[in-house]
Amino acid sequence: EAGVAQSPRYKIIEKRQSVAFWCNPISGHATLYWYQQILGQGPKLLIQFQNNGVVDDSQLPKDRFSAERLKGVDSTLKIQPAKLEDSAVYLCASSLASSGGGNEQFFGPGTRLTVL
Amino acid sequence: ILNVEQSPQSLHVQEGDSTNFTCSFPSSNFYALHWYRWETAKSPEALFVMTLNGDEKKKGRISATLNTKEGYSYLYIKGSQPEDSATYLCASPGGGADGLTFGKGTHLIIQP
Repeated sequence: EAGVAQSPRYKIIEKRQSVAFWCNPISGHATLYWYQQILGQGPKLLIQFQNNGVVDDSQLPKDRFSAERLKGVDSTLKIQPAKLEDSAVYLCASSLASSGGGNEQFFGPGTRLTVL
Repeated sequence: ILNVEQSPQSLHVQEGDSTNFTCSFPSSNFYALHWYRWETAKSPEALFVMTLNGDEKKKGRISATLNTKEGYSYLYIKGSQPEDSATYLCASPGGGADGLTFGKGTHLIIQP
């Protein structure tokens, strides 16, 4: 079974530039998550999709971050414009269905973003 | 937003020794506790999802216990090997939602 795919693996940009990350979840997984992991901290949930609908985006900085999951499969996360504090690893995860947190989440390898 | 804490922050263990570390979480409105292992340049890998008070789960040399009444979980590694070197993360969902709140992790280094 193929795992969660993410690209690119690494990205270096200058502040105020835009960047986009792509995620392809495990086939058949209805729920998709984006997490941000800043060095020295645990991953923080940015947004959760159930199929192509947003379930939770309470921690997404909506003035600069946006995400979509068209057709309920692949997802993209965009930052525009980037700030220095956006330097982090962006992790995508998927799970079979919404279950109130009891389902195992499967993670991709992440995209490491450096903002100069 | 939950407060999930892990200790210690980092740990150096001699190869062959056993070790353990702690995850604490709010005991009220508990639903589940997840443990992940994250090796450098790889994907975080799920170890356990635990839901029942007193539960104990095992995978090879790694085991975990759960105490939901007092709000803590222990992860044990028996006979540490170099391949156990990783960051171990625990996480809990908040209030019936699916999104996980993670601790900062315990960075484990096994010294040959």
